[in-house]
Amino acid sequence: DAGVIQSPRHEVTEMGQEVTLRCKPISGHNSLFWYRQTMMRGLELLIYFNNNVPIDDSGMPEDRFSAKMPNASFSTLKIQPSEPRDSAVYFCASSSSAGTQYFGPGTRLLVL
Amino acid sequence: AQSVTQLGSHVSVSEGALVLLRCNYSSSVPPYLFWYVQYPNQGLQLLLKYTTGATLVKGINGFEAEFKKSETSFHLTKPSAHMSDAAEYFCAVSPNAGGTSYGKLTFGQGTILTVHP
Repeated sequence: DAGVIQSPRHEVTEMGQEVTLRCKPISGHNSLFWYRQTMMRGLELLIYFNNNVPIDDSGMPEDRFSAKMPNASFSTLKIQPSEPRDSAVYFCASSSSAGTQYFGPGTRLLVL
Repeated sequence: AQSVTQLGSHVSVSEGALVLLRCNYSSSVPPYLFWYVQYPNQGLQLLLKYTTGATLVKGINGFEAEFKKSETSFHLTKPSAHMSDAAEYFCAVSPNAGGTSYGKLTFGQGTILTVHP
């Protein structure tokens, strides 16, 4: 079975540009999570969805960040405008009601 | 509220030696506990988890962990380290109660394991 799929795997952009990260969760999973990983702050939960509905977005750093889940098989995390401090690895994870989260390979974002 | 503390950001062992990675947690409700491993430039992979029942949990690649409620610990061990075990290991906790916080993982800062020949 395919795991969690993320695209792109790498993104280099300039400050001020819009960045969109994409995630396809494991089929049948009803929860989806977006994390950010940096050396300074470790792994941080940004937002999570249950049955396509945002449940907790308290980790979203500021209004420049937004996330959507239009259907059960697709989610996006958008940063507009991007800043150098947004450089990080962004992970998407999904889980079923049993709770174990399965992670995607991550998107490595560099904002110049 | 939940938190996880991993004691030691770096652990170094010789090949064949015991691996012990320490994790202590704080949780206001009974916890679910997890260990994940991250190899360079990859995502996190689940090693093992504790939900309910037996407190000694066996995972993949010969790892195991024991939930000790009295010590609020969930240390990860492996009897004999292999070179391929070199990676970063994360302990995580989530509440096992229902409600909107279900499934929300809180991670420790990670422990980098180095294995010497």
